[in-house]
Amino acid sequence: AQSVAQPEDQVNVAEGNPLTVKCTYSVSGNPYLFWYVQYPNRGLQFLLKYITGDNLVKGSYGFEAEFNKSQTSFHLKKPSALVSDSALYFCAVETTDSWGKLQFGSGTQVVVTP
Amino acid sequence: GAVVSQHPSRVICKSGTSVKIECRSLDFQATTMFWYRQFPKKSLMLMATSNEGSKATYEQGVEKDKFLINHASLTLSTLTVTSAHPEDSSFYICSARSPVTGPEQYFGPGTRLTVT
Repeated sequence: AQSVAQPEDQVNVAEGNPLTVKCTYSVSGNPYLFWYVQYPNRGLQFLLKYITGDNLVKGSYGFEAEFNKSQTSFHLKKPSALVSDSALYFCAVETTDSWGKLQFGSGTQVVVTP
Repeated sequence: GAVVSQHPSRVICKSGTSVKIECRSLDFQATTMFWYRQFPKKSLMLMATSNEGSKATYEQGVEKDKFLINHASLTLSTLTVTSAHPEDSSFYICSARSPVTGPEQYFGPGTRLTVT
């Protein structure tokens, strides 16, 4: 069975400071990993993905994430947070054993203060 | 590119009636569409997966006779909540993907269903 954990319900950061949102996973096959962002009363927007290759992936809006196989982590990062980055962030995993089915983490609310 | 729309964005219906929600991929052909349910401040729960021209595959615990899914074309999937009850009130989100767009799913803006 696959699972995704986002250990922090909320992350608070001042504008201009680095932002990190943590994600760890447990899968039985090779993982595809994704980050999505959700603004209030909206659907999810795709930020980035890791399929294979370079462990550091870059995505939309200046976000990046690092795949760490030994630690089974896929933390989302942004060097300098903006107030507009305040939203709900979801990590998700898919494996070749369960094609197409995304398992989502519980979500992390990011609050960026001016 | 890869835009998914949902209609309606909000719907209020009376208990016992049925409601249909449409999900459309606007600029790509979606071979697979997914329906999720999201409770307040909670993660998304996959309800069912539908492939164009095939019957939907429902997740465990999801009543297929209550949540009817039709994927009649490569750009349209519908979710019909039959005989709605207040406990069906939720935020329903669809997503779509295709081999052309890649493994990531593209999500619609969601539909807020309130059953009174």
